[in-house]
Amino acid sequence: RKEVEQDPGPFNVPEGATVAFNCTYSNSASQSFFWYRQDCRKEPKLLMSVYSSGNEDGRFTAQLNRASQYISLLIRDSKLSDSATYLCVVKGTNNFNKFYFGSGTKLNVKP
Amino acid sequence: NAGVMQNPRHLVRRRGQEARLRCSPMKGHSHVYWYRQLPEEGLKFMVYLQKENIIDESGMPKERFSAEFPKEGPSILRIQQVVRGDSAAYFCASSPTGVDYNEQFFGPGTRLTVL
Repeated sequence: RKEVEQDPGPFNVPEGATVAFNCTYSNSASQSFFWYRQDCRKEPKLLMSVYSSGNEDGRFTAQLNRASQYISLLIRDSKLSDSATYLCVVKGTNNFNKFYFGSGTKLNVKP
Repeated sequence: NAGVMQNPRHLVRRRGQEARLRCSPMKGHSHVYWYRQLPEEGLKFMVYLQKENIIDESGMPKERFSAEFPKEGPSILRIQQVVRGDSAAYFCASSPTGVDYNEQFFGPGTRLTVL
């Protein structure tokens, strides 16, 4: 079983739509969680960290459900510029500081 | 504070040649990670290094691939006797030690093309 699993998509949505991605992780002891964004042929960049209490940054909301071992990302009022691949990332629990990346969910926002 | 540096940005090799990819982590970062991304696919973990130590190389192919992160200088990912299937984008990332919620900072990647 993969450490981190995501629906690859693509999610095709119109501008202004609300879209949600989920990601599941296998290690119940994982402590740190992130969403990264990757544009075509570019390096991944941190979108937001995911905290236990959930967190919001403008149109983006991240939630963590430890009981079910999933992380979600909600994007409201989608913009054309939101089109990208969204990567779910879970940090390992031991001292080795290893990060596990999901394979990404592709979002296409259409005019 | 310069970000993660990778060079070259683009590398073309013929089958059978060697490819050397370099990564300089952000200042103060002692953890380096290498990932490979094939066209239209996700990031695949290859190797995780700290200074002078390989911590986890579970994602490295058993043959032809090696990595190092010496005490001085950049981390090197070396691919010997390249084949067409090695054509991919290779990303390096770095992170600091210790504190929770540390993100990884990625370099711009090296795009390897094997002819």
